[in-house]
Amino acid sequence: QKEVEQDPGPLSVPEGAIVSLNCTYSNSAFQYFMWYRQYSRKGPELLMYTYSSGNKEDGRFTAQVDKSSKYISLFIRDSQPSDSATYLCAMMDSSYKLIFGSGTRLLVRP
Amino acid sequence: GAGVSQSPSNKVTEKGKDVELRCDPISGHTALYWYRQSLGQGLEFLIYFQGNSAPDKSGLPSDRFSAERTGGSVSTLTIQRTQQEDSAVYLCASSDWGESSYEQYFGPGTRLTVT
Repeated sequence: QKEVEQDPGPLSVPEGAIVSLNCTYSNSAFQYFMWYRQYSRKGPELLMYTYSSGNKEDGRFTAQVDKSSKYISLFIRDSQPSDSATYLCAMMDSSYKLIFGSGTRLLVRP
Repeated sequence: GAGVSQSPSNKVTEKGKDVELRCDPISGHTALYWYRQSLGQGLEFLIYFQGNSAPDKSGLPSDRFSAERTGGSVSTLTIQRTQQEDSAVYLCASSDWGESSYEQYFGPGTRLTVT
């Protein structure tokens, strides 16, 4: 079993929809939880991070962490075609190494 | 300011040859990381450097892989006697150290194809 599990999709939604992306994990030592966005043939770009449990909002994006359930989510409101990309969750413990999910491919249809 | 840069962007090599991949981190970042992204394995940690400390090599898949960081800045990842399973995108990232280590900035990657 992988340390971080993420549904690979693809997830196809109409423009304006609310998108929910999720990851589960097994290592209770993870303290930092990140979401990266990766466009085709580009490097990952950090979208949001959360330390420990809780919610964090940035514009149309909301990240949630539930450490008791070992479950993290990213919500995208009013999704746009430009949001079409692969979204990677990543986690870090005190080792400073990022452990990534396999990524979910998102397609927002105009 | 300038981001993380990597060269070459693409590399095609024959099985058994050695390759060198280069990474220029963001100026001032003391930590530098190498990851590998392949279809079957996703994005995997390979190695990181932090200042003058010994590098954490725990993710290197075999002794054919090595990396060095000269002068605390530029890093080179070397793969000796390349195999077809080494085909992947090799990504470099850099960050500040300590509590900001989660904020890793990635380069565009080097796409390696071993024929």
